[in-house]
Formats: sequence, C-alpha cells, structure tokens
Amino acid sequence: ETGVTQSPTHLIKTRGQQVTLRCSSQSGHNTVSWYQQALGQGPQFIFQYYREEENGRGNFPPRFSGLQFPNYSSELNVNALELDDSALYLCASSLDPNTEAFFGQGTRLTVV
Amino acid sequence: EDQVTQSPEALRLQEGESSSLNCSYTVSGLRGLFWYRQDPGKGPEFLFTLYSAGEEKEKERLKATLTKKESFLHITAPKPEDSATYLCAPSGGGADGLTFGKGTHLIIQP
Repeated sequence: ETGVTQSPTHLIKTRGQQVTLRCSSQSGHNTVSWYQQALGQGPQFIFQYYREEENGRGNFPPRFSGLQFPNYSSELNVNALELDDSALYLCASSLDPNTEAFFGQGTRLTVV
Repeated sequence: EDQVTQSPEALRLQEGESSSLNCSYTVSGLRGLFWYRQDPGKGPEFLFTLYSAGEEKEKERLKATLTKKESFLHITAPKPEDSATYLCAPSGGGADGLTFGKGTHLIIQP
C-alpha cells in the first residue's frame, strides 16, 4: 500500500508567476486536504476536496485553487505568487472528511 | 474562532526523563483531536486520535489524554529518536480541516 506522495519536492518560482503542486492520495482515500506551513509554524488549512468537490476552505484568497481527479489525486494551483507564499505545502489524504489524515512529505516552495 | 495553544514551545530532556506536553484548545463542537509528530523538513506523521473527554491512547513511550479543554501527550522514558516537533490539531468537523498549534519542539539528549 503506497502512502501519500507529492511532487515536486522543491520548487523555486519568481514573484507573479503561477505554480501547480501535485498529490497522489493513499489507496482507498477519497478525501484530500492541502495545508501551508511557514517556518516555525503549524500547518494552516487551505482547502479540502471530497469526491472531486471542494467541501471546505480556510482563510486563503481565491488565487489558491485546486482540483481533485476521479482517481482522487489532487492539484493545488497558486496564481500571482507573492514572496509570503514561500512555505512547505502539505497534502493529506483520509478515508473520509472525519477520519485521521495522512500527510505526504511536502513541497518546499520558494518565491523570489 | 478555533484556537489552539501548545506549551511549552520547546523542551529539552535527558534520555529517560519523563515529561508532558500540553495542548489547550477552543473548538466549537469538537469532533476529534489529533496528535502528530513532525521531523525537520518532512510531513507530519499521525500518532493518535482522541474523540471524547476521558479517552486515552498509548503507543510505545507515548500516551495521549483528553479533557474538555486540554490534551496532554505524556512521554515516558524518552529516547533520542523521540526528538521531533509534536503537533496537536482539534477538529470541529471534517470540512473545516484541522486547526494546528505551533507545536512543541522536543529534544532528547543522550
């Protein structure tokens, strides 16, 4: 059974650019959540997808958007990158929205 | 607004020296409280889920307990490999996601 995998592991982008991060959920999991973790802070909830629909969103602007595909893999898209978007982006999958979430290793995004 | 405070922010212990980490929370309609361990540069690793006050869960040297306002992570006779940041995250409902504290950075010295 494979765990949650994210790609790429590291990424450097220029302010104003757009980025797409990818996540493959754990086998059998239909729920994917995305989190942003700044250095020295706990992860902050961006949004959650359940069976291909967004069913919850944290306090992030609309330039953060996502998709979940029929195989339950997911993408996080960020437009008009800002310096403050530099962080570790974490994807987590779960059997359903109310059970424990299992995290991937994260994508380290640096915006310069 | 949901709030989570973890204390202490950092803790340095000698190998074998037991201690407790605290997680104080304010969440309307708690559905579950989750504990994770995070190593530097990696994603959080799931440890426990607690659902109701009075519940306890154990795994190796770790034991998690829950009251209506707090959760404790007790670590007994820790080893250097227990060094990590421990995060707690109460949840008011699946679609709201997890509200994480800043974590407790634990260092176990040999």
